[in-house]
Amino acid sequence: EVQLVESGGGLVQPGGSLRLSCAASGFTFSSYWMSWVRQSPGRGLEWVANINRDGREKYYVDSVEGRFTISRDNAKNSLSLQMNSLGVEDTAIYYCARDTVGASYYWGQGTLVTVSS
Amino acid sequence: AIRLTQSPTSFSASVGDRVTITCRASQVLTNNVAWYQQKPGKAPKLLIYTASTLNTGVPSRFSGSASGTDFTLTISSLQSEDFATYYCQQYNTYPRTFGQGTKVEVK
Repeated sequence: EVQLVESGGGLVQPGGSLRLSCAASGFTFSSYWMSWVRQSPGRGLEWVANINRDGREKYYVDSVEGRFTISRDNAKNSLSLQMNSLGVEDTAIYYCARDTVGASYYWGQGTLVTVSS
Repeated sequence: AIRLTQSPTSFSASVGDRVTITCRASQVLTNNVAWYQQKPGKAPKLLIYTASTLNTGVPSRFSGSASGTDFTLTISSLQSEDFATYYCQQYNTYPRTFGQGTKVEVK
């Protein structure tokens, strides 16, 4: 069974940093592109970033480019999102997702990031 | 970035109704469009990809189609478990983008 479990969310002050992790199991992690998608409270979905199978290709939405870094460790079946210079607009539930042919087939349960003073 | 505009943004329907949700893209896409269903407090669930391919395990009452820059999700006979919010997404170009969502509520 495919499982994606996010962790690392919490309360952080504006300007602070946070690192999210996603533990993957039930599939060959190194064979899939992976994504982060976020959802602000009561709002819609926003694609944040994705990464290719070997970690060499990374893409970001403009609003996080230069502040967030997506990475993966295929040996540990783990996906990460390093978030720096956080602003209140980054407050959201962050989902880890496994992509197939571009669409996000499997999603984790999400981890809440709250940016507030 | 490609903008996706869903219509309507919300509506009320009854069990058994035929429901159609439209997603209009700001520019021509290939059929790299997906549809997701999300229920309150839950992660989205992939329903359809490449505009019309049903994901494994998704009931056949769901279908998708494409015509130019318009993409459509149809539920042929709405069931009680289908009351939810639906999102389209394009994965044709970066950044990937989602529509704003369509909430289907009980009439």
